Amino acid sequence: GEDVEQSLFLSVREGDSSVINCTYTDSSSTYLYWYKQEPGAGLQLLTYIFSNMDMKQDQRLTVLLNKKDKHLSLRIADTQTGDSAIYFCAFNQFYFGTGTSLTVIP
Amino acid sequence: GAGVSQSPSNKVTEKGKDVELRCDPISGHTALYWYRQSLGQGLEFLIYFQGNSAPDKSGLPSDRFSAERTGGSVSTLTIQRTQQEDSAVYLCASSFGTVNTEAFFGQGTRLTVV
Repeated sequence: GEDVEQSLFLSVREGDSSVINCTYTDSSSTYLYWYKQEPGAGLQLLTYIFSNMDMKQDQRLTVLLNKKDKHLSLRIADTQTGDSAIYFCAFNQFYFGTGTSLTVIP
Repeated sequence: GAGVSQSPSNKVTEKGKDVELRCDPISGHTALYWYRQSLGQGLEFLIYFQGNSAPDKSGLPSDRFSAERTGGSVSTLTIQRTQQEDSAVYLCASSFGTVNTEAFFGQGTRLTVV
């Protein structure tokens, strides 16, 4: 199985970039996802990347995958207060990280 | 309905009692997942149903946990002889295909064992 680690908390100022990191142990997953969980709501898919890709950009979101270091990151450009939520990385829908709580300070 | 529906939204039960949690997936979705989210923990995969295939039960933490999916649609997660450590939010998700398609999550059932 996959052991997935994330930092628990991240705080940024509105307008700055946020970088949420995820490290993992098993390289066999083919699909790597980022989900967002807002207070009182279910998880919502933000973006995903295939394991044979290094980078994917989707509007304000950039996903970077470093297979050598087993490191996945999500960058949110021009972070807004509405981005405040918990962000989870996930591998093949089975293995989820512990979640990073992002707080955006106005 | 339009999304994944879970019931009840909250459940308080006494230690040692059995509980059943229900999940109604999005119509037409062949895959269904159950997860457990404990305070300060990530999502822990429990079980995965895909079409008529045998379910992947590799995530079930003990034999007190079981799940079934009737008619390829509604699923029930059963926890027997509940323990306090079973207290968590139980999430259900469904998707059209296998692990390479977007999963849509329900709001979850918050289980509290007292």
